[in-house]
Amino acid sequence: DIQMTQSPSSLSASVGDRVTITCQASQDISNYLNWYQQKPGKAPKLLIYDASNLETGVPSRFSGSGSGTDFTFTISSLQPEDIATYYCQQYDNLPYMYTFGQGTKLEIK
Amino acid sequence: EVQLVQSGAEVKKPGESLKISCKGSGYSFTSYWIGWVRQMPGKGLEWMGIIYPGDSDTRYSPSFQGQVTISADKSISTAYLQWSSLKASDTAMYYCARNKVGATTFDYWGQGTLVTVSS
Repeated sequence: DIQMTQSPSSLSASVGDRVTITCQASQDISNYLNWYQQKPGKAPKLLIYDASNLETGVPSRFSGSGSGTDFTFTISSLQPEDIATYYCQQYDNLPYMYTFGQGTKLEIK
Repeated sequence: EVQLVQSGAEVKKPGESLKISCKGSGYSFTSYWIGWVRQMPGKGLEWMGIIYPGDSDTRYSPSFQGQVTISADKSISTAYLQWSSLKASDTAMYYCARNKVGATTFDYWGQGTLVTVSS
């Protein structure tokens, strides 16, 4: 089974900072990597799909990159409303499986 | 507007059975997969399984195979997650989420159902 390693587990940054989260797969997953935002008490929300595509309606300060085993999620200029936990998620078809990263809790400094 | 509306919070005792629901609207229910995701208190997201309501094709995570049953009634656009004998460790928030055929994402999510199992 493919393992996902997401880092860091927590992050404190100031408004306006550039924030980067990484996700590493234990084997090549092409671009089958998605990013979600979960605010406290809310359901997750899809932000980035297929590694680098911005979901409709998501602000352009969010972006994703990478392919193969190494992926990056970036917030170009942190806003107060971005306080949340962020998860990467991959799909594998052998066996059929969706796996989430451990999550990164983002706080305002 | 696409919506997934889940049933309300449940409080159960160990050993009891439970079935929670997820009703889809605003799209063709039989043309998308519905997945279930567990979130234990203060923890991350875990994929449990997924069903295609069009033909009831169902896949389970090995971690949840045999522990839960996923089903769907396409006549009422509703998917279900059920337990035959709950344990305290089943206490968690459970989310349903829509998955487009051929895509790897969960693009719409239900609001979550909190299940509390306590004696």
